[in-house]
Amino acid sequence: ETGVTQTPRHLVMGMTNKKSLKCEQHLGHNAMYWYKQSAKKPLELMFVYNFKEQTENNSVPSRFSPECPNSSHLFLHLHTLQPEDSALYLCASSQAISAGTGGNYTFGSGTRLTVV
Amino acid sequence: AQKVTQAQTEISVVEKEDVTLDCVYETRDTTYYLFWYKQPPSGELVFLIRRNSFDEQNEISGRYSWNFQKSTSSFNFTITASQVVDSAVYFCALSGSKAAGNKLTFGGGTRVLVKP
Repeated sequence: ETGVTQTPRHLVMGMTNKKSLKCEQHLGHNAMYWYKQSAKKPLELMFVYNFKEQTENNSVPSRFSPECPNSSHLFLHLHTLQPEDSALYLCASSQAISAGTGGNYTFGSGTRLTVV
Repeated sequence: AQKVTQAQTEISVVEKEDVTLDCVYETRDTTYYLFWYKQPPSGELVFLIRRNSFDEQNEISGRYSWNFQKSTSSFNFTITASQVVDSAVYFCALSGSKAAGNKLTFGGGTRVLVKP
């Protein structure tokens, strides 16, 4: 266990479904991140939250909708996805961005998403 | 813009051989951090090392060692006397200044396969 828990570990969904990925950390971190890891591409940063406020959206399509109700929880709501969205979605947390810790993240185990 | 290049996509070795993973980075920041992460088949990214740009001392931790050469913008990683458990994908990553928002930029990863 890394201290960052992601659920579910695996998810298969149809293109018309709506589902949500959950990330939870109890490390006392105030910044949380969503990354996408596809088979053929490097890890791509999707969203950044700092003290529950979204500070970055890396040109992510609107079919991905993040939510951060508090500093310990981060969700990624999914709707009308495409097969090319199939990937491993990794959540990470770190101390607040203002702490300047230089990207010292703790990662979860990821959710393996398959869109059929 | 930041960039991390891991030219080797896959390396296969026999147990007890040494293996060196190359990492070359680009950044305009004068202060930055370099990281190596290990991703075993279970999916999570396991932190291995963080190096500050002002600290060019090489580091050794057990069978792992890192060679930071600022002059060539490289941060190479060597596993000595490799073991089957070292089989994983290894990522080099770069984080810039606080102004850059603590974001990690990853290389494409190098898959290491250690055969018994």
